[in-house]
Amino acid sequence: QVQLVQSGPEVKKPGASVKVPCKASGHTVSSYGISWVRQAPGQGLEWMGWISAYNGATNCAPRFQGRVTLTTDTSTSTVSMELRSLTSDDTAVYYCAFFFYYSSGSYYNFQSWGQGTLVSVSS
Amino acid sequence: NYVLTQPHSVSGSPGETATISCTRNSGSIASNYVQWYQQRPGSSPTTVIYEDNQRPSGVPNRFSGSIDRSSNSASLTISGLRTEDEADYYCQSYESGNQDVIFGGGTKLTVL
Repeated sequence: QVQLVQSGPEVKKPGASVKVPCKASGHTVSSYGISWVRQAPGQGLEWMGWISAYNGATNCAPRFQGRVTLTTDTSTSTVSMELRSLTSDDTAVYYCAFFFYYSSGSYYNFQSWGQGTLVSVSS
Repeated sequence: NYVLTQPHSVSGSPGETATISCTRNSGSIASNYVQWYQQRPGSSPTTVIYEDNQRPSGVPNRFSGSIDRSSNSASLTISGLRTEDEADYYCQSYESGNQDVIFGGGTKLTVL
C-alpha cells in the first residue's frame, strides 16, 4: 500500500511563496505520478497539477500556470509543489495524491492521498 | 475542458439506497474513466470507485458505480445506507487531450 507523507502546516504572508513536500513509500513501481489537489475552507476539491516521477513530465491547471512549480527527487521519492505570489485566496489544505503513470495516457485514479498540509495566508 | 456537475446534497435513511449523479456537459461520459472519492470531515479523500465501476479492496460491495450514455452521466449508488456513509462524495475524470484532471463540485450525503 502506497503511503504519502506531507509536511506540517505553514503560515505565510501575502506575496510570499510556499513549498510543500510529499514523500512516497511502499510503491513497487517507478512509473507513477503525483497530483496536487487543494481544498479551500468549506469548499470542494480543486486540481492543481501533476508530475510524473517516471520521466518528470508535468501538467498544471490553467489557473495555476506560471505560479506553480512541481519537482521530483527520485533518490528520496519526494515530490514538491511550490506556489508563488500567495494571496488570501490560496488559504487551503493542499493534498498530494498517487496515481499510476502511463506515457500513453493515464487514468488518474488517485489511489492514495497524503494527509494534507494546511497553508494559511494572512498579513 | 468539460464540466462535471453533481447535486449539492443527497439524503437517505439507514438501510435505504442513495444515488449520486455526475453529469458531463460535453463529450461522452464513456470517453474517460470516472472515479469516486469519499471524504469524511477532517480527513483526506479515499477512493470508493475507480474506472467507472471498480471497487478497491476494502470498500464494501454496498458501493457501486455505473455510467449511462443516454444521460451522459456517471452514478455512485450506495445501498443499505449506514450512518458512517455520511460524507462528501466527489466524482473525477480527465481530459484525453491535455491530460487535465476534472473534479465535480461534490455532494454532501446525509444519512438521517
